[in-house]
Amino acid sequence: QKEVEQNSGPLSVPEGAIASLNCTYSDRGSQSFFWYRQYSGKSPELIMFIYSNGDKEDGRFTAQLNKASQYVSLLIRDSQPSDSATYLCAVLQGGKLIFGQGTELSVKP
Amino acid sequence: GAVVSQHPSRVICKSGTSVKIECRSLDFQATTMFWYRQFPKQSLMLMATSNEGSKATYEQGVEKDKFLINHASLTLSTLTVTSAHPEDSSFYICSARKLASGEGTQYFGPGTRLLVL
Repeated sequence: QKEVEQNSGPLSVPEGAIASLNCTYSDRGSQSFFWYRQYSGKSPELIMFIYSNGDKEDGRFTAQLNKASQYVSLLIRDSQPSDSATYLCAVLQGGKLIFGQGTELSVKP
Repeated sequence: GAVVSQHPSRVICKSGTSVKIECRSLDFQATTMFWYRQFPKQSLMLMATSNEGSKATYEQGVEKDKFLINHASLTLSTLTVTSAHPEDSSFYICSARKLASGEGTQYFGPGTRLLVL
């Protein structure tokens, strides 16, 4: 079992729709959870982090964390073609970020 | 802000040569920097953790004598790929964690694309 798992996609949504990206992790002791966006050929850029159960909103992005289910998600409202990228879920374990394989999102105009 | 730079952005070298990549945190101090490698269509793989003033901690399977890491100051870490071979061709990305960053947020540099001929 991988430590951090994501559906590799591609996930295709129409412009203006809500994109839902999911991530599960295996280590119950994980403390902080991060979502990064990576455009093709570029390095990851931080979207947001969450460490408490529940929802955290930042603009069009909402991160959701459920530690009991070991599940973290990212919702993107009003998806735009510029949101098309690979979204990486990362979990902080022992001071290190463990990354999932990423979910490719495609937003169609 | 939290800006991390890398230099060079792209390098092509002959097999057997050594390549040095610099990673700098431009507007903050970073006690810890990380080096990742990413092959096409794959996720980031942590190579090593670099702490200022001490030896780097390498992940399992990463040769410390081949990938030399130096973290001389709170704003600079270097990765040297020694005797590079074609299989070392990859996208190398560094990240830096802010001093006293409780939640552990890492900020990534723009990456260095290495091609070994």
